[in-house]
Amino acid sequence: NAGVTQTPKFQVLKTGQSMTLQCAQDMNHNSMYWYRQDPGMGLRLIYYSASEGTTDKGEVPNGYNVSRLNKREFSLRLESAAPSQTSVYFCASTPAAANTGELFFGEGSRLTVL
Amino acid sequence: GDSVTQMEGPVTLSEEAFLTINCTYTATGYPSLFWYVQYPGEGLQLLLKATKADDKGSNKGFEATYRKETTSFHLEKGSVQVSDSAVYFCALSATSGTYKYIFGTGTRLKVLA
Repeated sequence: NAGVTQTPKFQVLKTGQSMTLQCAQDMNHNSMYWYRQDPGMGLRLIYYSASEGTTDKGEVPNGYNVSRLNKREFSLRLESAAPSQTSVYFCASTPAAANTGELFFGEGSRLTVL
Repeated sequence: GDSVTQMEGPVTLSEEAFLTINCTYTATGYPSLFWYVQYPGEGLQLLLKATKADDKGSNKGFEATYRKETTSFHLEKGSVQVSDSAVYFCALSATSGTYKYIFGTGTRLKVLA
């Protein structure tokens, strides 16, 4: 009963390094999302994928890229990490064709950029 | 654009006290409204939802009513427990057809025994 799985759970990077956060869901959901959570800011949408083969920018896309590899997987890449990208990252998915349904979240990936 | 405003925390209550966490929203059309809960070290999980005006969502003793006239979706519980200590997020689904969900900043609740 895995649900939404994110890897890695923790990562420390130096400024300028790159990395990819992986997300996979086993619920056959159509839509997938990447959020970042910062103190006092709530969750802010980075990118989303309404369906396989499509991706769109959210509220804070700068410095990130995404790939919807297939229906199950949605990765988030930081090409050149900056201290401002220190955050907790959450992947989420939903089956709904229209966004009335529940979002299912992973456990989060805590990223620190030094 | 669409937005969600919820009361700032932290909220500290004694066990068995009454809880209200205020949430108001701005949206075009008729969004669905949600409350999510985040326990320490975990991801968010859905607590309750309402999809149309006057709907009441309820779960685990928590309730919230979708009030279109006041654009509110306040979370209430009659008697909180220590295990309810968590961060609570109000959210709406954007109605522009872009599959977006908008979250409030979260309210931390601490319940003391």
